[in-house]
Amino acid sequence: EPEVTQTPSHQVTQMGQEVILRCVPISNHLYFYWYRQILGQKVEFLVSFYNNEISEKSEIFDDQFSVERPDGSNFTLKIRSTKLEDSAMYFCASSPGQGETQYFGPGTRLLVL
Amino acid sequence: AQSVTQLGSHVSVSEGALVLLRCNYSSSVPPYLFWYVQYPNQGLQLLLKYTSAATLVKGINGFEAEFKKSETSFHLTKPSAHMSDAAEYFCAVSGAGNEKLTFGTGTRLTIIP
Repeated sequence: EPEVTQTPSHQVTQMGQEVILRCVPISNHLYFYWYRQILGQKVEFLVSFYNNEISEKSEIFDDQFSVERPDGSNFTLKIRSTKLEDSAMYFCASSPGQGETQYFGPGTRLLVL
Repeated sequence: AQSVTQLGSHVSVSEGALVLLRCNYSSSVPPYLFWYVQYPNQGLQLLLKYTSAATLVKGINGFEAEFKKSETSFHLTKPSAHMSDAAEYFCAVSGAGNEKLTFGTGTRLTIIP
């Protein structure tokens, strides 16, 4: 069964460093998403992406964040200058169409020191 | 705007007993409602979803949920708990045609042998 994959599973970085979280969505899906979950808190929407552009973003998704689909398979989330409060589990998801079921990856646990 | 409230961050039931996980929603538009499950070290897996068809929705692993508009609820039930049901369960809402999922804080289900 096709699944969303994410790499790395864990990442430790120093405050101020750039990180890139990678996701491979399900191959025939058209909509892509990033969510995050700070330890002990809700899963929060960050951004949705369709047709090579951002279709919606939350207030969390400020200028420090960017997303890219550099090729036909990868979908990346970049944090330019990490802060301590960026420490969280980051989930990628994809769906075949608008409003259809979102399929989630296993997540990347980011720790900013 | 949409939101969900999950009552009970931790629920324990005996093996073979009824599982009831509560979710109440708030939505300014007709909602789509979802239950996701997260097993340790895995991603979010869709259990079931309501998208304005039948109000009683059956999902995987014997779970079901009933949409009650008058109570703004979408509680998850399973008649007989199994040890393999131990996991974290998330209720989520989106608006019709809206891509963003808004999650509750999750309920950790423990099964007592």
